[in-house]
Amino acid sequence: DVKVTQSSRYLVKRTGEKVFLECVQDMDHENMFWYRQDPGLGLRLIYFSYDVKMKEKGDIPEGYSVSREKKERFSLILESASTNQTSMYLCASTSPPGNQPQHFGDGTRLSIL
Amino acid sequence: RKEVEQDPGPFNVPEGATVAFNCTYSNSASQSFFWYRQDCRKEPKLLMSVYSSGNEDGRFTAQLNRASQYISLLIRDSKLSDSATYLCVVTPNTGGFKTIFGAGTRLFVKA
Repeated sequence: DVKVTQSSRYLVKRTGEKVFLECVQDMDHENMFWYRQDPGLGLRLIYFSYDVKMKEKGDIPEGYSVSREKKERFSLILESASTNQTSMYLCASTSPPGNQPQHFGDGTRLSIL
Repeated sequence: RKEVEQDPGPFNVPEGATVAFNCTYSNSASQSFFWYRQDCRKEPKLLMSVYSSGNEDGRFTAQLNRASQYISLLIRDSKLSDSATYLCVVTPNTGGFKTIFGAGTRLFVKA
């Protein structure tokens, strides 16, 4: 079974802090994704990566950056956290081609105070 | 128009009932289709893929209608444990990675 592990289930940070969310997958997947999920808005893609050191912007990249130094690890960074970034963050991975189903981590419920 | 649209529900059904959800998509070149299940405050989990020929897994049946651009999910003999949000997922045939998730349909199965 695919295992996608996110570093924290719940996280509380303050406005202006730099926040790191970590994601690790154990299936040697090339493709990794970061989403946020908000009530009524569904899943929105922040960034994705299809290879080490490669990254592409998704639909809502503003205020976020990512890092992929190793194939199994994809990090999401909130450069200066704001209250409108309070959300559920979900990491996913999949193997090529791009039409394969994605496998999700448990999610991180992030609150910015 | 949203790329993937679902009736948000909620659908309230008694145990043992049959319930069906539809999901429409706007991109006729879409290639792959899936249904995911998401429990409250949990991550989405793959329920089943949707093939052109249809797909059945126990009490769950998924259908694809390319001409009308919709997919459906049928749940027979509903269980209390089927209560969840069901997400329709569509992947375009562009060679890229832009998977589109519907906002989900909420199902409540009651005793």
